[in-house]
Amino acid sequence: DVKVTQSSRYLVKRTGEKVFLECVQDMDHENMFWYRQDPGLGLRLIYFSYDVKMKEKGDIPEGYSVSREKKERFSLILESASTNQTSMYLCASSLGPGSGDEQYFGPGTRLTVT
Amino acid sequence: GEDVEQSLFLSVREGDSSVINCTYTDSSSTYLYWYKQEPGAGLQLLTYIFSNMDMKQDQRLTVLLNKKDKHLSLRIADTQTGDSAIYFCAESELTTGFQKLVFGTGTRLLVSP
Repeated sequence: DVKVTQSSRYLVKRTGEKVFLECVQDMDHENMFWYRQDPGLGLRLIYFSYDVKMKEKGDIPEGYSVSREKKERFSLILESASTNQTSMYLCASSLGPGSGDEQYFGPGTRLTVT
Repeated sequence: GEDVEQSLFLSVREGDSSVINCTYTDSSSTYLYWYKQEPGAGLQLLTYIFSNMDMKQDQRLTVLLNKKDKHLSLRIADTQTGDSAIYFCAESELTTGFQKLVFGTGTRLLVSP
């Protein structure tokens, strides 16, 4: 079974703090993704990575950065958290091209910025 | 970018069939997907259909694809209260040589006893 884990289920941070969200997958997947989920907006892609040290901006990268130093780990960084970044953050991974692009999701981190 | 649209809510009675609809815009999508999200959980792949197929059946689930109208539907037969969840459709999009998924807004299915 593919397992994608996220470091926290719930997180409360103050405005201006630096926030790290960690994601680990155990299936040697090439691709990893960070989404945020907001009611009525569905999932929006923040960043993705198709290889170690490679990253690509998604649809809403502003205010975020990412790090992928090891294949199994993909971190999302909020350099200076703001209240409009209060959301559910979902990490996903997929095997790679030709695999059907099925993405496996972690349970999510609900971040509240006060 | 591409756009995937779904209605936000659907309410059915237990035992009825549920039909969740989705329209997409990228005619070059290779695969189209249905994901399910239960309360407090991440998304789980329910089923997917290859773009050259019209229909796919998997136990209580039937996926219909109308490529001409870019319309995808998910039918759940004999809907149970445990089917209450948010259902997302997604299309694959080719960007800078890399395939990524574009998700719809999700349809919240409420099944009443």
